[in-house]
Amino acid sequence: IQLTQSPSFLSASVGDRVTITCRASQGISSYLAWYQQKPGKAPKLLIYAASTLQSGVPSRFSGSGSGTEFTLTISSLQPEDFATYYCQQLNSYPFGGGTKVEIK
Amino acid sequence: EVQLVQSGAEVKKPGESLKISCKGSGYSFTSYWIGWVRQMPGKGLEWMGIIYPGDSDTRYSPSFQGQVTISADKSISTAYLQWSSLKASDTAMYYCARRGSLRAEGFDPWGQGTLVTVSS
Repeated sequence: IQLTQSPSFLSASVGDRVTITCRASQGISSYLAWYQQKPGKAPKLLIYAASTLQSGVPSRFSGSGSGTEFTLTISSLQPEDFATYYCQQLNSYPFGGGTKVEIK
Repeated sequence: EVQLVQSGAEVKKPGESLKISCKGSGYSFTSYWIGWVRQMPGKGLEWMGIIYPGDSDTRYSPSFQGQVTISADKSISTAYLQWSSLKASDTAMYYCARRGSLRAEGFDPWGQGTLVTVSS
């Protein structure tokens, strides 16, 4: 099962609503996680089971979807959110290609 | 505090062997799967494989099967990733991460990463 993330790059401003999509080549129910990675740092779990917010993660992050199409939404982009985001399928664990969110 | 601490950076020559480590603390090491992830310079995350330290059940990504060996020593709460003959293309950051008790819970926490540089 492969994961395709889109877009691979997006430019946005502080306060913008941002949506990242992850599509699975086959249905994976809700077995999907989202991670944030900042330069030089290990990835950080944001969302698991497609829509459950990890403890300590700000509520402006949300996840939705099931089956083959999933989204990560940041409701109001903050300066500390500029990073690369990855989805991961939790059956055989491959990652999507990543989405780099940069400042417009 | 649940924590994974990885061994330090390594510089090796092509053809050399290497074993890097990931030590867990703050939880029951034998009860959680530990996964390994590669990140080549400037690239995305690649899933390598996973081990259950309780019984050493190990699963590999097809891309890494036969290229690396994943193991664990539960007596010292440590997982390992090893190569028998390194190549320049193995140059990357390697992360370990703990899977939640349920498959759908994702991986958290992550180790700080081990940078492996392979150069003649």
